Amino acid sequence: DVKVTQSSRYLVKRTGEKVFLECVQDMDHENMFWYRQDPGLGLRLIYFSYDVKMKEKGDIPEGYSVSREKKERFSLILESASTNQTSMYLCATKGTVSGNTIYFGEGSWLTVV
Amino acid sequence: GNSVTQMEGPVTLSEEAFLTINCTYTATGYPSLFWYVQYPGEGLQLLLKATKADDKGSNKGFEATYRKETTSFHLEKGSVQVSDSAVYFCALGPKGAQKLVFGQGTRLTINP
Repeated sequence: DVKVTQSSRYLVKRTGEKVFLECVQDMDHENMFWYRQDPGLGLRLIYFSYDVKMKEKGDIPEGYSVSREKKERFSLILESASTNQTSMYLCATKGTVSGNTIYFGEGSWLTVV
Repeated sequence: GNSVTQMEGPVTLSEEAFLTINCTYTATGYPSLFWYVQYPGEGLQLLLKATKADDKGSNKGFEATYRKETTSFHLEKGSVQVSDSAVYFCALGPKGAQKLVFGQGTRLTINP
């Protein structure tokens, strides 16, 4: 079974703090994704990485950055957290064949106070 | 562009009722189509998928048929259970692309 592990399920951070969300996958997948999920807005793609050190902006990259130094690990960074970044963050992975399934982690609930 | 439109929720049914959640899409070419389910407090997991026209995906009593002529992939289940209460997402995977396009999600609640 594919395992996508997000390092923290629940975090509370203060406005202005730097926040790291870590994601590790064990399937040797090339593609990794960070989404945020908000009520009424569904899933929105923040960033996407298709290879080590490669990244592509998604629909809402503002206020976020990412790092992919190793194939299995994809980090989401909030340089200076703000209250409007309070959300559920979902990491996902996928192999390269078109039509392949995307596999999700369990999510990280971030509250910025 | 590519997009997915899902039936708006929330949907509330009684146990053993018949379920349909509508999903229509816009895409160039022949995308793959997916239904994902999210149980309370968890991430999304694949429920079923179809990769070409007229394919039927099925899992856990749920079914969906890839209808190219109506650009639809409606989710159905003949007799729902309380444990089916969750949020359901329809998604498409464009041919040759890595990113999926998700619908807004439909919250389903089943009452005993």
